[in-house]
Amino acid sequence: AQTVTQSQPEMSVQEAETVTLSCTYDTSESDYYLFWYKQPPSRQMILVIRQEAYKQQNATENRFSVNFQKAAKSFSLKISDSQLGDAAMYFCAYRSAWNNNAGNMLTFGGGTRLMVKP
Amino acid sequence: DGGITQSPKYLFRKEGQNVTLSCEQNLNHDAMYWYRQDPGQGLRLIYYSQIVNDFQKGDIAEGYSVSREKKESFPLTVTSAQKNPTAFYLCASRPHKDSPEKLFFGSGTQLSVL
Repeated sequence: AQTVTQSQPEMSVQEAETVTLSCTYDTSESDYYLFWYKQPPSRQMILVIRQEAYKQQNATENRFSVNFQKAAKSFSLKISDSQLGDAAMYFCAYRSAWNNNAGNMLTFGGGTRLMVKP
Repeated sequence: DGGITQSPKYLFRKEGQNVTLSCEQNLNHDAMYWYRQDPGQGLRLIYYSQIVNDFQKGDIAEGYSVSREKKESFPLTVTSAQKNPTAFYLCASRPHKDSPEKLFFGSGTQLSVL
């Protein structure tokens, strides 16, 4: 079974600065996907960024980028130029690439609460 | 506006009581999901349904039941067999053609035991 671990329960960052959220995972599969989701105070989860394990290039979405280290099974999220609206819970998640019932399921980490100081 | 509506926002359950959480979507999505969120544990899948009149157990289905009689609706019943029901419950949906991670989430229901 796959596991996803987020070792930082809380992080804080000054507005306009950069912060990195950590995520490690454990799997025996070679083909999979990794994601970061944001859960703002409204509590509706939003997909932030997606990384395919077979791609060496790190995914980027505007101010959000990842550092994907496949051998180390590490998948960190970097938020540049932090804004007050970035304050939220952030969840790392894993999905197998195999197209079966298990492939439909996401495995989530425990979350990191990000606070942004004005 | 299209979206997912969960109700109620807060729900209290007495010992031995069954309670039902509502989830309605007007996005015409085929698949619907129920997740449980506990502090520090992330989201765990309870049940999911890919088509009407069909659903599958997730990782933590014990003590829960669902139905999918209409495409728009996927209610979750927390039965008295669920001994630790206090949690935040999130419903989600997605069209079949989209990747499994492209979920649309509701705003959740916080369930507490009296």
